[in-house]
Amino acid sequence: HSALTQPASVSGSPGQSITIACTGTSRDIGNYDYVSWFQQHPGKAPRLLIYGVNKRPSGVSSRFSGSKSGNTASLTISGLQAEDEADYHCSAYIGSRSLIFGGGTKVTVL
Amino acid sequence: EVHLVESGGGLVKPGGSLRLSCAATGFSFSSYNMHWVRQAPGKGLEWISSISASSIYINYADSMKGRFTISRDNAQNSLFLEVESLRAEDTAVYFCGVVFGTTEIPDYWGQGTLVTVSS
Repeated sequence: HSALTQPASVSGSPGQSITIACTGTSRDIGNYDYVSWFQQHPGKAPRLLIYGVNKRPSGVSSRFSGSKSGNTASLTISGLQAEDEADYHCSAYIGSRSLIFGGGTKVTVL
Repeated sequence: EVHLVESGGGLVKPGGSLRLSCAATGFSFSSYNMHWVRQAPGKGLEWISSISASSIYINYADSMKGRFTISRDNAQNSLFLEVESLRAEDTAVYFCGVVFGTTEIPDYWGQGTLVTVSS
């Protein structure tokens, strides 16, 4: 399995919506509904935003939403805020308790 | 409150070895699968290994097989990662994570411990 593919950077103005794509293959994203998204601020631990493709843990803002189509998962941040400026990582289950990650996407709030 | 605290990182010479630890509090450690991932400076997350609650199932990324060994001590609520024959490219922050849900992907991560491999 190769790493999942994410854009290196995405930017948007406050209040706008942005979408980050995470592209895999039929052996990972396309094969399981086990895709998670994490937010990571500099020097901090990754924080779970989305699990199971489109589920939000308690405490995560409804401005974050996830979806999947075929071999591509997506994270949408609506109503972009300054505090959303961070790195975002996608992760997929590939069977046998094994995972792969994307390369991470840096979100900049203009 | 869930807490995962990694330790054991530091500066190591190429060819050396390290044993990283992850101390867990705030949950029933012996009931949950655990994972290690790492993050090289300025890079994305890279999955290393997982271990089931009772240590029956252990898995490694293909690129990590041979030099990395995951283990756990449920009596001590601790997870471990031994790394041998360290190389410069192993320089990274190493995070441990716990799987509470059913997706097999960790829901919660520790703050990480930095390993620097340099002569």
